[in-house]
Amino acid sequence: NAGVTQTPKFRILKIGQSMTLQCTQDMNHNYMYWYRQDPGMGLKLIYYSVGAGITDKGEVPNGYNVSRSTTEDFPLRLELAAPSQTSVYFCASSRYSITTSFKTDTQYFGPGTRLTVL
Amino acid sequence: EDQVTQSPEALRLQEGESSSLNCSYTVSGLRGLFWYRQDPGKGPEFLFTLYSAGEEKEKERLKATLTKKESFLHITAPKPEDSATYLCAVQATGYSTLTFGKGTMLLVSP
Repeated sequence: NAGVTQTPKFRILKIGQSMTLQCTQDMNHNYMYWYRQDPGMGLKLIYYSVGAGITDKGEVPNGYNVSRSTTEDFPLRLELAAPSQTSVYFCASSRYSITTSFKTDTQYFGPGTRLTVL
Repeated sequence: EDQVTQSPEALRLQEGESSSLNCSYTVSGLRGLFWYRQDPGKGPEFLFTLYSAGEEKEKERLKATLTKKESFLHITAPKPEDSATYLCAVQATGYSTLTFGKGTMLLVSP
C-alpha cells in the first residue's frame, strides 16, 4: 500500500491564481481530512469528508473548497490564492466508526504540499 | 472548545539523557489521545493512541502515559535519530476530527 499520496510536493503561485492540491489514499478509509501547518502554529483542520459526496468545514475553511466524488480522492481547491495561504498542506485519512468498540480510527498523513503565494 | 497545550516548545538533550514531554488537554469527553512524530519536511507519523486514564504504551525508547488531564511521552536514553517534532492530539467522543497541540521540537545531540 502507498498509503496517502499528495501532489504536487511544492508549488509557487501568484496572488489571484487558482490550483488544486491532490490527495489519494489506497487504504479504503471512509474519512479524509485536509490540514494546514504554519510555523509554530500546529495543524489546523480546513475541511474533512465522512465519505463520497459528503464534506464539512473544519476550523479554517475560508478561501478553500473541497469535493469527494470517490472514496480514494479528496482534492483541495484554492480559487483566488492569497499570501495568507502560504503554508504546508497535509492530507490525512482514517477508518472511523462512531461505536466505541471500534477504535482503529488513527489518522494517517500524506507527505505534504509546500505552497508559496507571492 | 477542545484545547491541547504541549510543553516545552523545544527540548535539547544529550544522547542517553532521559526526559519527558508533556501534553495537557481539555476535552468534553475523551475518545482518544494521539501522539505523532514529525521529521522536517515530512508528514506526521503515528506513534500511539491512548484511550483511558492509566493506560500506557511503549515503542522502543518511547513510552506514553495518560491521566485525566495530561499525557506524557517519556524518552529513555534517547539517540540522535529520535530528534523530531512530537505532536499530541485529542479526539472528542462522537467526533472524528482531531485537535492538535503546537508540538515539542526535540533535538538529541551525540
